[in-house]
Amino acid sequence: SAVISQKPSRDICQRGTSLTIQCQVDSQVTMMFWYRQQPGQSLTLIATANQGSEATYESGFVIDKFPISRPNLTFSTLTVSNMSPEDSSIYLCSGQQGRLMNTEAFFGQGTRLTVV
Amino acid sequence: SQQGEEDPQALSIQEGENATMNCSYKTSINNLQWYRQNSGRGLVHLILIRSNEREKHSGRLRVTLDTSKKSSSLLITASRAADTASYFCATDARGDDKIIFGKGTRLHILP
Repeated sequence: SAVISQKPSRDICQRGTSLTIQCQVDSQVTMMFWYRQQPGQSLTLIATANQGSEATYESGFVIDKFPISRPNLTFSTLTVSNMSPEDSSIYLCSGQQGRLMNTEAFFGQGTRLTVV
Repeated sequence: SQQGEEDPQALSIQEGENATMNCSYKTSINNLQWYRQNSGRGLVHLILIRSNEREKHSGRLRVTLDTSKKSSSLLITASRAADTASYFCATDARGDDKIIFGKGTRLHILP
């Protein structure tokens, strides 16, 4: 399967600032997704990153707070805007080579964000 | 929203024993997948079972799928300390591209 390089791996940020997380895939992938994972919890889907168009957000997540870019089939960014301590979490990106129904998802190593 | 629900939430067993984790889901699916996560790092794909399959093996892993009961199980045989991790099932609802993860089972292998 493909490999995703995600950075930064961790960061400590001041409230009110923004952080952009990048994911670079070593091959073209059809689908890319962004998740949030609170400590000890499962993954919650934030949005589907669509190549060349606006991301598709899940309920409870909005573009102004979590703007996403996907300029091509190998790269995506997630920005956490105007951060508050409640945004402290692990953020993960994932990709899939083909349509979901027959292919596994592969993940970046995650970004551990702490907002102080 | 969570599609899959794993049980137990946490499991501790002795090294060498078998570990069984269960997952239930709500809607019709195309496939079900199991992932492992070590200490809040990225997830590692373990196995994918399609909706028309009933059982699948991969090394020490055995996965079953019962679509009539909307449930799956993951069996790890002859557990090792390195199997200590969180295990998640994930499903894709038919007609949807998203993978939705269950709450996970935290497995701890005791030496």
